[in-house]
This record gives sequence, structure tokens and C-alpha cells, in this order.
Amino acid sequence: GAGVSQSPSNKVTEKGKDVELRCDPISGHTALYWYRQRLGQGLEFLIYFQGNSAPDKSGLPSDRFSAERTGESVSTLTIQRTQQEDSAVYLCASSRKGGTNEKLFFGSGTQLSVL
Amino acid sequence: QQQVKQSPQSLIVQKGGISIINCAYENTAFDYFPWYQQFPGKGPALLIAIRPDVSEKKEGRFTISFNKSAKQFSLHIMDSQPGDSATYFCAASSRSGGSNYKLTFGKGTLLTVNP
Repeated sequence: GAGVSQSPSNKVTEKGKDVELRCDPISGHTALYWYRQRLGQGLEFLIYFQGNSAPDKSGLPSDRFSAERTGESVSTLTIQRTQQEDSAVYLCASSRKGGTNEKLFFGSGTQLSVL
Repeated sequence: QQQVKQSPQSLIVQKGGISIINCAYENTAFDYFPWYQQFPGKGPALLIAIRPDVSEKKEGRFTISFNKSAKQFSLHIMDSQPGDSATYFCAASSRSGGSNYKLTFGKGTLLTVNP
């Protein structure tokens, strides 16, 4: 596709439910990132994929959070037993290879609201 | 520990004026400093970036000034236009330490340019 696509754009869920957030990166981009943006805060790194492997999961806040990537393409971020503090915009980005001077292309994000 | 401090939180400028956003960092290993622009409902987009081997980089109306000794860098927007109204994030990353893909973001500055 022309850009990074994320779905759903908005998700409202009840506390304790599981949610899945999807990211379709730009075709051919081997690097994929998930960031979280809380209201009034900067972007917080969650996880980095190179191909289908995740060499850095250090930003995942707890074991309720997990992510996978298949076919060096689509990625899914799963949050189990959601809590109100999980409410945020979850942003996915991709880049060609993954490196410090690479331009990241962000999707429009998924606004998650946990009631 | 907030590694990149951004100020001000919000900024109102008249059309044609100069917008200045400042960032300070703590990690001396940082060697790549991008600025991202985010419009409401959209993901951040790379605006301009600088490496510490130069003190200034200009692209059109946007200029990054970099002061390595002070560990500070700033974004100047000349002849600010209403279309520049957005949230601006500074960020930093390091090629060393094996995590050259990870950007550390400031908290953002909401810029409003009045017509």
C-alpha cells in the first residue's frame, strides 16, 4: 500500500477484555515498530521487529502486552485483560531496513479507550 | 528518567512570525536528532533531521540549530503559516549500544499559528 495502515482507527473496550490492534506496514519495509502515545506525552517505544523477529521487546509495559509479525508484513499488538491505564493511541511505524538514520513512516494510529 | 526535554508545551505565533521549539538531551551517545510533525488524527511525519557533525541544517522555512556542548537543539520555523499548526516532537537516537533503531521522543509542542 501507499502508507502504513492501522486498524481499527478507534477501539472502545471494557476493562478486563482483550484487544488486538493491527498494522500493515509499507510493502518491502523490513523494520516495524510499535509506539504508544498517551495524552500529553511523547511517543513511548514498545517493540521493534526486524523481519518476523523481535530483537527488542524492552518497551512492552507488562506481560499483558504481546506482539507478533508474520510474513515480514502484518503485525498484531495484543493487550490482554485491558486496564484503564492502557488507554492511549497506539502507533505503528515501518522503515526500509531499521537504523538510526532511517525515516520512520507512521500510521494514523489506533485510539484505544478502556472504560 | 526523561532523556529528551522539550519546551514549550504550547506556542502561539502570529502568521509570518518565527516559531522556536527547544529540546535538551542527557545521553551524550545520541547522534541523530529528527523532528516529527503531527497533525490531529494523523501519525507523526519526519520533518527534518540533523547529525552532530553540523551546527545547523535548513530545509525551506525549517531550520534545526544544534549545540553539542550544551546538549541542546532547536527547531526554527520562519514565516510561520496557519498550515504549520500541529504538534512537533523532537527525538534522538544513538548508533551505539545496538539500539540504533530506537527513537526517544520529547513530549511535544502544540503550535498554533494565528492568521
